[in-house]
Amino acid sequence: QVQLQESGPGLVKPSETLSLTCSVSGDSISSGSYYWSWIRQSPGKGLEWIGFIHYSGFTKYNPSLKSRVTISVDTSKNQFSLRLSSVTGADTAVYYCARDSPSYSSGWYSDTWGQGTLVTVSS
Amino acid sequence: QSVLTQPPSVSGAPGQRVTISCTGSSSNIGAGYDVHWFQQLPGTAPKLLIYTNNNLPSGVPDRFSGSKSGTSASLAITGLQAEDEADYYCQSYDSKLSGSRIFGGGTKLTVL
Repeated sequence: QVQLQESGPGLVKPSETLSLTCSVSGDSISSGSYYWSWIRQSPGKGLEWIGFIHYSGFTKYNPSLKSRVTISVDTSKNQFSLRLSSVTGADTAVYYCARDSPSYSSGWYSDTWGQGTLVTVSS
Repeated sequence: QSVLTQPPSVSGAPGQRVTISCTGSSSNIGAGYDVHWFQQLPGTAPKLLIYTNNNLPSGVPDRFSGSKSGTSASLAITGLQAEDEADYYCQSYDSKLSGSRIFGGGTKLTVL
């Protein structure tokens, strides 16, 4: 049974870079069958997809965040990571990592989620 | 303002049937993109509830069902139980957003 666990600083200063890592157990990122996503949820708000990565290094990002986001993968550690630059208070959110499965006709959906980690942007 | 529109809240008594709508447009649901549903219990991560319009993952009770027609989709819950009280989100894709993944704004289900 696959499990995902987010880790990283819970507090980031404005204008700095948010960095989080997702550790995957029970499945190999290198299996190639899945994509691996980051999704966030601002306090009291809905869900926002940030982007995903395939073990090959292929990435796709939400156009609204694309200029500030980098998602990378480390297959040797079975981890993938998120970097979000130039953060502001609007980036305060619970950040989830997730495993994505292909839908039958189009797109992907997250079939397994990490527990999430709260990142607060404040000086 | 979410591209996919859901009612902010719905409610029902135990045993009743409730539905949650997810209304999109010709650039997302109407374009043929699949719809998926997630359940988020208080203080927990979202959990996949329905995938690819009307499929139940293993372990999800068949009291839950999904449907899609035109530019909208719906989640139905029959035999409502207290444990169903949660936030529900629909998800699809939008061609006007470079094929980006989009979520509905979420619906709070209250079991009376």
